[in-house]
Amino acid sequence: AQTVTQSQPEMSVQEAETVTLSCTYDTSESDYYLFWYKQPPSRQMILVIRQEAYKQQNATENRFSVNFQKAAKSFSLKISDSQLGDAAMYFCAYRRGAQKLVFGQGTRLTINP
Amino acid sequence: EADIYQTPRYLVIGTGKKITLECSQTMGHDKMYWYQQDPGMELHLIHYSYGVNSTEKGDLSSESTVSRIRTEHFPLTLESARPSHTSQYLCASSSSGPYNEQFFGPGTRLTVL
Repeated sequence: AQTVTQSQPEMSVQEAETVTLSCTYDTSESDYYLFWYKQPPSRQMILVIRQEAYKQQNATENRFSVNFQKAAKSFSLKISDSQLGDAAMYFCAYRRGAQKLVFGQGTRLTINP
Repeated sequence: EADIYQTPRYLVIGTGKKITLECSQTMGHDKMYWYQQDPGMELHLIHYSYGVNSTEKGDLSSESTVSRIRTEHFPLTLESARPSHTSQYLCASSSSGPYNEQFFGPGTRLTVL
């Protein structure tokens, strides 16, 4: 079964600095999708960024970008110019085909003003 | 506006009561999901549905039941609530497109006394 591991239960960063959240996954498949979701305190979970495994180019959404290392099965999220509103739980997720999403354990990100 | 709705947002109830958590989406999605999440912890899939009259149990065993009589509606029922059911319940939906990304509702925080 596929597994997703987020080895950093908590991270903190100074406002305006850059932070990288780690995610590794285990799969024997070559074609799949990866996602980062953000869950702010007491607010709705939203999709931050997504990556198709067959695309070599790393996905970017404004201040959010990923470092996708397929051979290493690594999918880290980089947040540049961190803002107070970035404080949240971040979940990495994997999906192959029409199968269900598999989530990691989450990383709690704190932004220090 | 296309969205996914959950009611109630908060529920405090006594042991033994029957409860139904409502989830509706106006996104036109075929697939819907229920997750259970303790505060600040990982998500556990407890039920999912790929269409009307189709429901499946998820990865985490749950005493709850679900129904899918209409595409847009996916209620979750607990016949007899217990303190061990205290948790947050998140509903999500997704399309059948290539990304199949999930969109989440705001959640219902359930407390059973």
